[in-house]
Amino acid sequence: QVQLQESGPGLVKPSETLSLTCAVSGYSISSGSQWGWVRQPPGKGLEYIGSIYRSGSTYNNPSLKSRVTISVDTSKNQFSLKLTSVTAADTAVYYCARLVTVATDYFDYWGQGTLVTVSS
Amino acid sequence: QSALTQPASVSGSPGQSITISCTGTSSDVGNYKYVSWYQQHPGKAPKLMIYDVTNRPSGVSDRFSGSKSGNTASLTISGLQAEDEGDYYCCSYTTSSTRVFGGGTKLTVL
Repeated sequence: QVQLQESGPGLVKPSETLSLTCAVSGYSISSGSQWGWVRQPPGKGLEYIGSIYRSGSTYNNPSLKSRVTISVDTSKNQFSLKLTSVTAADTAVYYCARLVTVATDYFDYWGQGTLVTVSS
Repeated sequence: QSALTQPASVSGSPGQSITISCTGTSSDVGNYKYVSWYQQHPGKAPKLMIYDVTNRPSGVSDRFSGSKSGNTASLTISGLQAEDEGDYYCCSYTTSSTRVFGGGTKLTVL
């Protein structure tokens, strides 16, 4: 059974960098698939942040592109998100998920989500 | 990229059928068969219900079905049950090799 678990600070100050890690168990990141981040502001809808292949190739939401860095650490079987220059608008539940992309495209396994609040 | 357009809310009585639409553009929904649908209950992570427009993952009830015509995809739930109540989101692959979600639809079972 594939499991994903997000971790990171629950509170980030405005203008600072949000950093989250997603630990994957039950499946080797090196085996394939993309690995993605999706966020959900309180009371609002889902927003695709970006995703990464095991090779390190990334695909990011154009509206966030310049602030987002997604990286993968196959030795630790985890991947990470960094979002710079955060504002209150970045307050959201952040989910990591596996993105199946071989002749298809969908998120099948999700983490439980972690709430990140941007506030001084 | 703009979010796909979904109705904010739909409702139906137990046993009835409802359909949720998801309208995009020729840069996403209209150009690919890669439309997926997710169900989300309060405080929970999204759950995959439909992928590649019409396919159901193992374990998802056959009361859920999907279709697409042009730039609009649809999710139909037949034989509504109380447990179907929740939020539903569509998602599409895009010509930029990214993904875009719909704004979400709140389903109320009356």
